[in-house]
Amino acid sequence: EAQVTQNPRYLITVTGKKLTVTCSQNMNHEYMSWYRQDPGLGLRQIYYSMNVEVTDKGDVPEGYKVSRKEKRNFPLILESPSPNQTSLYFCASSAGYEQYFGPGTRLTVT
Amino acid sequence: ELKVEQNPLFLSMQEGKNYTIYCNYSTTSDRLYWYRQDPGKSLESLFVLLSNGAVKQEGRLMASLDTKARLSTLHITAAVHDLSATYFCAVNLNNNDMRFGAGTRLTVKP
Repeated sequence: EAQVTQNPRYLITVTGKKLTVTCSQNMNHEYMSWYRQDPGLGLRQIYYSMNVEVTDKGDVPEGYKVSRKEKRNFPLILESPSPNQTSLYFCASSAGYEQYFGPGTRLTVT
Repeated sequence: ELKVEQNPLFLSMQEGKNYTIYCNYSTTSDRLYWYRQDPGKSLESLFVLLSNGAVKQEGRLMASLDTKARLSTLHITAAVHDLSATYFCAVNLNNNDMRFGAGTRLTVKP
């Protein structure tokens, strides 16, 4: 089944403790992206990647890092999480115009 | 800076009625998307509009795009309860840099 998976789905952590949210797709898509969703703000793009080793900043990249060492994986790294990064995070991938979203990761930083 | 504005943000309508959701954006774009999100779920792609005058229909939903006015509409015909969800428009900038509207939360009442 074609899908985008994210792990973990839920995470509660403390300020400053480094964490990684993984994203993997099995559709051989070149394009992958990370978004955060906050009430009243819609989705905001954090980073995107056009292919392996090619990443670029989206609308709200501050406080986040990404890497794209393999085509299927696009992890999101928070080196020193802060409470304002509490949010719902979505990974997405696409080839062409259709974008497929993962199930989401709800992150709480206390 | 690109702005994507949806209105209304909240919409309560009765079954059987028609209504339109509007999506205005502030810069040129070659692609406009409509997504649906159910509570606690991920985003589901509804439409991708690629050119001026494009119109797409699926069931009770019809989307259109006017690139000169920088306006897209999502028209709901004879609403049913199953259409209750949050609807997002999104605009694609160069290289898949995406900007989303804040979303329209639609509630269809019997």
